[in-house]
Amino acid sequence: DSGVTQTPKHLITATGQRVTLRCSPRSGDLSVYWYQQSLDQGLQFLIHYYNGEERAKGNILERFSAQQFPDLHSELNLSSLELGDSALYFCASSVGPSGAWGIQYFGAGTRLSVL
Amino acid sequence: AQKVTQAQTEISVVEKEDVTLDCVYETRDTTYYLFWYKQPPSGELVFLIRRNSFDEQNEISGRYSWNFQKSTSSFNFTITASQVVDSAVYFCALSPYAQGAQKLVFGQGTRLTINP
Repeated sequence: DSGVTQTPKHLITATGQRVTLRCSPRSGDLSVYWYQQSLDQGLQFLIHYYNGEERAKGNILERFSAQQFPDLHSELNLSSLELGDSALYFCASSVGPSGAWGIQYFGAGTRLSVL
Repeated sequence: AQKVTQAQTEISVVEKEDVTLDCVYETRDTTYYLFWYKQPPSGELVFLIRRNSFDEQNEISGRYSWNFQKSTSSFNFTITASQVVDSAVYFCALSPYAQGAQKLVFGQGTRLTINP
């Protein structure tokens, strides 16, 4: 058990809908990262937050947004969902923002199915 | 830009055989980190090892060993005396050093099947 908690484990929804994925980092970790794993794109970095502040953005669609709250949990919001958004979404956390403090520990993922 | 290539898409061996997973990376950064993660059939990503670009010492942990060669931009992973429980998808990843921000750039993964 990595100590990173993601809810829900599975999510089934329809095209055009909006969903929220939640992540609680390991105790003491200030950084939260979101990744998307799909068959065609592999594992792709989406966004990084450190202590509530956005630090880096990857290939995150404009329909997607994230935030990190004062209690350090994070939410990834996906809107106007399309079939191609079906994927496994991972959250990871680390102690610091980068470098020596940057080992990322991953949650079990949320599997999103858009029908 | 950074890139990680795992040329072996799938490997299948018989239990107790040794197996090496290849990883080649590209980066212009002089300081960076390399990682290996394991994704078992249950789906989670499990951290195995991290190496920084200044440390070229090989590492051994039980049946696992890693060979980092900066001259060839490779970070290969060897499992000795493989076991069925080693069956998983293994990902090599690169993290460019960026002050205050970090992302992992993953390879496409190698699916390893250990047959009894």
